[in-house]
Amino acid sequence: GAGVSQSPSNKVTEKGKDVELRCDPISGHTALYWYRQSLGQGLEFLIYFQGNSAPDKSGLPSDRFSAERTGGSVSTLTIQRTQQEDSAVYLCASSLVTGAEAFFGQGTRLTVV
Amino acid sequence: GDSVTQMEGPVTLSEEAFLTINCTYTATGYPSLFWYVQYPGEGLQLLLKATKADDKGSNKGFEATYRKETTSFHLEKGSVQVSDSAVYFCALGNGAGSYQLTFGKGTKLSVIP
Repeated sequence: GAGVSQSPSNKVTEKGKDVELRCDPISGHTALYWYRQSLGQGLEFLIYFQGNSAPDKSGLPSDRFSAERTGGSVSTLTIQRTQQEDSAVYLCASSLVTGAEAFFGQGTRLTVV
Repeated sequence: GDSVTQMEGPVTLSEEAFLTINCTYTATGYPSLFWYVQYPGEGLQLLLKATKADDKGSNKGFEATYRKETTSFHLEKGSVQVSDSAVYFCALGNGAGSYQLTFGKGTKLSVIP
């Protein structure tokens, strides 16, 4: 596609429910990143994919968070048993190669009530 | 590991004032450096970049020079406009080091007429 596409753009969920956030990167981009931006905060790195593998999962805040990428393209970030502190904007970005400029999606605003 | 430090905000300037937002970094190898901008209600956009020492990135009247000797990448604009009001993020991409894109905490700029 022309840009990085994320869905849904907004998600309101009840505490304890599972959510899935989707990212469709720019076609041909091998690197894919997930970040979290909490209200008034900077960007918190969550996970990075090179192709389908995730060499760096160090940023995932707990074992309730997981992510996968299939076919070297679409990625899904899953949060199990959501908590109120998970409320944030989840940003996905892709780049042609590792370390190159990243292009960001519009983000998914997650609100846990 | 890699890190980026940028000046704390918020910064408030009058229209046509000179802008400097300081950014320094710590990294192994030879990283690429970026400035991203987030306008109110919008996603992150790449503003400018520099991929090697002494490179100057420029866009929309903004400039930043990659200074390896001072490990800096300060953002400047000679005459700001109200439409420049946004949050500015300095970032580092290091394919040879940590492959995540490392961001500063962001600096909020408000330009008043």
